[in-house]
Amino acid sequence: KQEVTQIPAALSVPEGENLVLNCSFTDSAIYNLQWFRQDPGKGLTSLLLIQSSQREQTSGRLNASLDKSSGRSTLYIAASQPGDSATYLCAVNGANSKLTFGKGITLSVRP
Amino acid sequence: DARVTQTPRHKVTEMGQEVTMRCQPILGHNTVFWYRQTMMQGLELLAYFRNRAPLDDSGMPKDRFSAEMPDATLATLKIQPSEPRDSAVYFCASGLVPKQGASLKAFFGQGTRLTVV
Repeated sequence: KQEVTQIPAALSVPEGENLVLNCSFTDSAIYNLQWFRQDPGKGLTSLLLIQSSQREQTSGRLNASLDKSSGRSTLYIAASQPGDSATYLCAVNGANSKLTFGKGITLSVRP
Repeated sequence: DARVTQTPRHKVTEMGQEVTMRCQPILGHNTVFWYRQTMMQGLELLAYFRNRAPLDDSGMPKDRFSAEMPDATLATLKIQPSEPRDSAVYFCASGLVPKQGASLKAFFGQGTRLTVV
């Protein structure tokens, strides 16, 4: 059974800091890994999707990497801003398209 | 702008009542997921469908929950009878798997916030 872990559960950083959010998974037989953002009371917005054959994806100040063999992914946020405050979830797309989520990391960026 | 639509957005009901949540997946998507989100458990997969057929509903309490896709444009999640512990946000997501073994990108609806009193 696939298990996805995100540690720590919460993170608080000052504005302008570069930061890394971690995601680990137990079964490396995945098709892709997706990072989502969730604002309070809202749905999930897809940020980046990395195919299993890729090592990283970039979108603006966000960069996601994938090391499938070790079961790890990181989301790098450059020059963090208060508007980046949200919960960040990773999800792995595995056998039969099943999508398994971590519990998320709640990020607070202090002005 | 294509999006997954869920109704209702909010529902307050009394214990024992039937609750039906609806989801309209993005047109052309062939895979639909139902998730439940709580503070304690995070996002739990309840059930998902491919081409309207259930692939896995092992995450769903079978005695009170049921999920169906009457047609390709509608997925439903029913709870009967509802209990206070069912209070949560229920999300629907959809994606396209063009062929067996292909990767899927999931798109989420805004969720239905259910409160059972």
